[in-house]
Amino acid sequence: QSALTQPSSVSGSPGQSITISCTGTSSDVVNYNLVSWYQHHPGKAPKLMIYEGSARPSMISDRFSGSWSGNTASLTISGLQAEDEADYYCCSFAGGNTYVFGTGTKVTVL
Amino acid sequence: QLQLQESGPGVVKPSETLSLTCTVSGGSITSKNHYWSWIRQPPGKGLEWIGNIYYSGSTYYTPSLKSRVTISLDSSKTQFSLKLNSVTAADTAVYYCAREVSGSSGFDYWGQGTLVTVSS
Repeated sequence: QSALTQPSSVSGSPGQSITISCTGTSSDVVNYNLVSWYQHHPGKAPKLMIYEGSARPSMISDRFSGSWSGNTASLTISGLQAEDEADYYCCSFAGGNTYVFGTGTKVTVL
Repeated sequence: QLQLQESGPGVVKPSETLSLTCTVSGGSITSKNHYWSWIRQPPGKGLEWIGNIYYSGSTYYTPSLKSRVTISLDSSKTQFSLKLNSVTAADTAVYYCAREVSGSSGFDYWGQGTLVTVSS
């Protein structure tokens, strides 16, 4: 198993939309509709933002959306806000009841 | 509200065994709808899934750590534990416990994490 590939950093201005990609191989990712996304502010617990590829937990803003196409899953943040500045990780079910995380993306709000 | 809290030594000597416990409050650890996972983050690096356990005692581990890891569950104490043997400096990390929704629907509750440093 190898980590899923994410861009190391993505930036945008307040109000803009950004998209973070998450790419794996067929041996790492069983099904892209089982990808979840996490927001991680340093020193805090990671927070589930998207599960099952595109579903959003009840308390998560609809500015966050997930999708997938081919061997790439994506997280889009719309209407970027200062509080969105954090690290973001994708995570995939990798078969054999195991999981693999992405390399992580640092989001900067300019 | 479900809460998870990690506990254990903050420093472990090289070649020894790292032992952590996660105490779950506000919910059942014997739910058939959840698994209980350990995840770590080395300094300056990304998240790494270590393994999980089901209420039945079934365990699953990431291949790279499988030979050194044991996860166990004590339902009477609503706790689950991690043991990682033969540690090296590469095992220095913040260790998180988390609840995983069955059906691979993500890790919905996390502990705050605990830093374990491997050093003599």
